[in-house]
Amino acid sequence: DGGITQSPKYLFRKEGQNVTLSCEQNLNHDAMYWYRQDPGQGLRLIYYSQIVNDFQKGDIAEGYSVSREKKESFPLTVTSAQKNPTAFYLCASTQFGSQPQHFGDGTRLSIL
Amino acid sequence: AQTVTQSQPEMSVQEAETVTLSCTYDTSENNYYLFWYKQPPSRQMILVIRQEAYKQQNATENRFSVNFQKAAKSFSLKISDSQLGDTAMYFCAFRGTGGATNKLIFGTGTLLAVQP
Repeated sequence: DGGITQSPKYLFRKEGQNVTLSCEQNLNHDAMYWYRQDPGQGLRLIYYSQIVNDFQKGDIAEGYSVSREKKESFPLTVTSAQKNPTAFYLCASTQFGSQPQHFGDGTRLSIL
Repeated sequence: AQTVTQSQPEMSVQEAETVTLSCTYDTSENNYYLFWYKQPPSRQMILVIRQEAYKQQNATENRFSVNFQKAAKSFSLKISDSQLGDTAMYFCAFRGTGGATNKLIFGTGTLLAVQP
């Protein structure tokens, strides 16, 4: 079955450390997205990519970086510059047009 | 900028009854898409229903239906015959067509509890 796989499910970060969250899709979707979810704030867009080798900042990109070297992969790096990284991170993808976004199962990131 | 507002942080309904979740949005675009997503305790984001703004007919998916009022910029979700499995956080989302990003703008969510 086609879908989006996020790994790991749980991740812990030490002070000053960069960590990378994986997102892989086999839906052949062009566009991919990263969202951050905090309690009471809904989902906020971190970065998105509409095509390989291109990506754009979302609303809360500071302290994060991404790459899009392959169509099926869109990893998110949480850098040490992100001072409050504890959150639930969701990856999504879609084809253009009226299609809805499909979501992965998420990664919960916590500070050690 | 587009915004989505869900004014009910929490709601409760008895099993088998009907509940309506509210959503309003703000946009200057004429054509756009609206979605309701469900997030159960497992944290998966599951698409419940979608509406295309140029379609006047309200979307329906089994027990889920919407009341789309374009002039009022309102997009409420009605759940009929509520079931325990409907307990979840529900998010309303907007996607415009003016740009090329397919970005979704989410509301802050409504936590629905279905009581036995």
